[in-house]
Amino acid sequence: DVVMTQSPDSLAVSLGERATINCKSSQNIIDSSNNKNYLAWYQQKPGQPPKLLIYWASTRESGVPDRFSGSGSGTDFTLTISSLQAEDVAVYFCQQYYNIPFTFGPGTKVDFK
Amino acid sequence: EVQLLESGGGLVQPGGSLRLSCAASGFTFSTYAMSWVRQAPGKGLESVSTICGSNSNTYYADSVKGRFTVSRDNSKNTLVLQINSLRAGDTAIYYCAKHGRDTCYSRLDYWGQGTLVTVSS
Repeated sequence: DVVMTQSPDSLAVSLGERATINCKSSQNIIDSSNNKNYLAWYQQKPGQPPKLLIYWASTRESGVPDRFSGSGSGTDFTLTISSLQAEDVAVYFCQQYYNIPFTFGPGTKVDFK
Repeated sequence: EVQLLESGGGLVQPGGSLRLSCAASGFTFSTYAMSWVRQAPGKGLESVSTICGSNSNTYYADSVKGRFTVSRDNSKNTLVLQINSLRAGDTAIYYCAKHGRDTCYSRLDYWGQGTLVTVSS
């Protein structure tokens, strides 16, 4: 199985400041035939299901604010929230959909400083 | 508007069975892959089963293989997860999720609210 790790486990950021979350896969999750990274990012708020933010590592889902961006390739990926807003307090998960079983990272909790 | 509505969860004794359903609407159900993802209380996400769109190939996590069976009824726009031989470790919220394409190798773009399965004597 592809093991996904995330760092940090949690972070506290001031309102309006940048938050950066890292995700690493135990093997390459890029398909050389289409040059796409099979990596998604989800946001989960308490009591709610996860919500898709980013797919193909850097494509923002429709309706997601542009302060959310994804980057990286191969095995190392990053989710950046450029200016943290109150509604961004949540747990963020990365997921690879390159190999079955599709696996998730353990999550990163983002809170206010 | 895409909607996914799970049902069928509840309290069950170890060794028991449950049948979870997911009623889908707002999209052409038959042409998309679907998954069940579970989340134990206070824990992370685990993909337990996936069924592809066009060929209906099915996949299971090792932890549930042989005990869980996923199926879809395209005429009723319904996804079903039959879960047998339940264990305490199966206690979780079970989410139904739609893939972004008919291939299983795609992101999960819509999620239901989930149904809670509690395994306890």
